[in-house]
Amino acid sequence: EVQLQQSGPEVGRPGSSVKISCKASGYTFTDYVMNWVKQSPGQGLEWIGWIDPEYGSTDYAEKFKKKATLTADTSSNTAYIQLSSLTSEDTATYFCARTGSWGNWFAYWGQGTLVTVSS
Amino acid sequence: VQMTQSPSYLAASPGESVSISCKASKSISNNLAWYQEKPGKANKLLIHSGSTLQSGTPSRFSGSGSGTDFTLTIRSLESEDFAVYYCQQYNEYPLTFGSGTKLEIK
Repeated sequence: EVQLQQSGPEVGRPGSSVKISCKASGYTFTDYVMNWVKQSPGQGLEWIGWIDPEYGSTDYAEKFKKKATLTADTSSNTAYIQLSSLTSEDTATYFCARTGSWGNWFAYWGQGTLVTVSS
Repeated sequence: VQMTQSPSYLAASPGESVSISCKASKSISNNLAWYQEKPGKANKLLIHSGSTLQSGTPSRFSGSGSGTDFTLTIRSLESEDFAVYYCQQYNEYPLTFGSGTKLEIK
């Protein structure tokens, strides 16, 4: 069974950084791209970017290129997103989501990690 | 690609059928997925490729359309279907979502 287990809620001060993890199990981690998606309070879904764990290659939505950094550790089957220079606009729930077998839909999702930016 | 989803809110009774529309700002072929969001649960992929049911999706769900106009139909609503639904295009980057439809019990 494919599972994506995300780390717990984070509180970050304005200007600081936070790093969220997404541990994958039930499949070969390097066989699928991992995406990250943002959901601001009461809002819809925004795609942040993807990482190919096998090669470490990444792609980001323009809006997140200076905000998010995606990495992956193949030894622990864990993907990470680091959010830098936090502002109130970064308060949101962040999801990891694995692509489908042959298309860029999101076949599996993590449960989400709430990031709250507060001084 | 901008995805315009409607309605944003829908109230229906168990047993009824409902449809949700998703329109793309340009042609996305059939590269469209539908998801279900429920509190406390991971988002669930229902349909991909416009009309292909993901394994485990009940047959009362169906998807149709191609190009710019897509529809998610749920027949004979069951209590577990009351949730928020999103469409998503994956024809090109950046990947984009519709704004969501909240389906509530009437």
